[in-house]
Amino acid sequence: AQSVTQPDIHITVSEGASLELRCNYSYGATPYLFWYVQSPGQGLQLLLKYFSGDTLVQGIKGFEAEFKRSQSSFNLRKPSVHWSDAAEYFCAVVPGTGGGNKLTFGTGTQLKVEL
Amino acid sequence: GAVVSQHPSWVICKSGTSVKIECRSLDFQATTMFWYRQFPKQSLMLMATSNEGSKATYEQGVEKDKFLINHASLTLSTLTVTSAHPEDSSFYICSASRPGGGNQPQHFGDGTRLSIL
Repeated sequence: AQSVTQPDIHITVSEGASLELRCNYSYGATPYLFWYVQSPGQGLQLLLKYFSGDTLVQGIKGFEAEFKRSQSSFNLRKPSVHWSDAAEYFCAVVPGTGGGNKLTFGTGTQLKVEL
Repeated sequence: GAVVSQHPSWVICKSGTSVKIECRSLDFQATTMFWYRQFPKQSLMLMATSNEGSKATYEQGVEKDKFLINHASLTLSTLTVTSAHPEDSSFYICSASRPGGGNQPQHFGDGTRLSIL
C-alpha cells in the first residue's frame, strides 16, 4: 500500500544546531513531495516541494530538502535552528502524474527547540 | 499573505445543533477543495474532496449525511456538521489548490476548532 513514514515522532534540538527530519515514502513511481509546517492551533504552511529536476530543493525559512530516489526519501534539513522553528512538521505526497492532487500525510514530527 | 480563508476559527455549540464552516480561496479559482479532520497530536485525515458544481467525494468511513459539503462557487466550499455531538469535536481544516493537477500544492486555511458540549 502507498504510505508516507516519518520515523521520528519527537525531536529536540538546541537553538543554533542543525536539523534533519526524515521522510520515507512507498509509491511505485516518483511522487510529488511536500513539506508542511503547522504551529499550534493553526493550519499548514508549505515549506517546499519537489516535482522533478534538481533533487535538492530550497524552501522558505531557510529549509531545504533532498530527494533521494534510491532511498525513497525526502528529508528536510536546516543548518541552524531558531526557537521559532518549534512546530509540527508534516511530509506529504501526491502520487504523481494522473493521480490528481490528493495528499497523503505522514504522521508528523514534533520539533522542540531548547534555548 | 493567506490565500485560503477559513471561518469561523473557533466555535462552541450545544449537542444536536448544526455547524457550518466556510472555506474561501482568496486569489484564485479552486475547482477542488479538500476537507480534513485532525485529532490532537495526530496527522490530518482527509474527509472529502469538494468538487465545484458536483457532489463531493467522501473517504471511506466518513458519513456523507453527517458532514455535508457544498462547493457552489469556484471560491467557496462549506462543510456542515449536522446534528453535532461531542464526538464530532475536533480541528477541521480545509485546503485549496490552483488548477493544474498534482504539482499544484495545496494551500491550507487556519482551521476551525469545533467543540460540542
